[in-house]
Amino acid sequence: RKEVEQDPGPFNVPEGATVAFNCTYSNSASQSFFWYRQDCRKEPKLLMSVYSSGNEDGRFTAQLNRASQYISLLIRDSKLSDSATYLCVVYNAGNMLTFGGGTRLMVKP
Amino acid sequence: EPEVTQTPSHQVTQMGQEVILRCVPISNHLYFYWYRQILGQKVEFLVSFYNNEISEKSEIFDDQFSVERPDGSNFTLKIRSTKLEDSAMYFCASRGGGGYGTDTQYFGPGTRLTVL
Repeated sequence: RKEVEQDPGPFNVPEGATVAFNCTYSNSASQSFFWYRQDCRKEPKLLMSVYSSGNEDGRFTAQLNRASQYISLLIRDSKLSDSATYLCVVYNAGNMLTFGGGTRLMVKP
Repeated sequence: EPEVTQTPSHQVTQMGQEVILRCVPISNHLYFYWYRQILGQKVEFLVSFYNNEISEKSEIFDDQFSVERPDGSNFTLKIRSTKLEDSAMYFCASRGGGGYGTDTQYFGPGTRLTVL
């Protein structure tokens, strides 16, 4: 089983749509969770951390379900500039980030 | 805003040659990392470095790889004898301190390594 698993997509959505991405992780001892964004041939950039209580940052909402080992990201009112690959990232015991394969989002006019 | 920088942006080398990839982490950061991403694949951890020594390394980080912080500002990744399969984007990252998971890792723009 992959450590961090994501649907690779692509998700093709019109501007203004709401889109949700899901991620599962295999290590129940994982400590911290993040969503990163990666544009084509660029470095990963932190979008938001994910907390058990859920957290929101503008149009972005992240949720964590530790019992199901499941993480989600919701993007409301999609913009063309949201087109990117969204990476689910987990911090396990040990000093490293473990990345999922990413979910590609394409927002069309 | 402080940022991680990497040089060169693109390195082309012949199989069997040694390459050194350079990174300047954010100045007050204490933890340093190398990751790689083969084209079309996920980002993979290579090594972490703290207090002038390796703290974790992955299976990928074999004897052909080494890291060094030669002068208090640079953080380098050396590949001794490159193979075709070493072709990838190599990202350096750094974070400030505290317990793991409590600080964000900031990534540099990457060095694209092409081995011919």
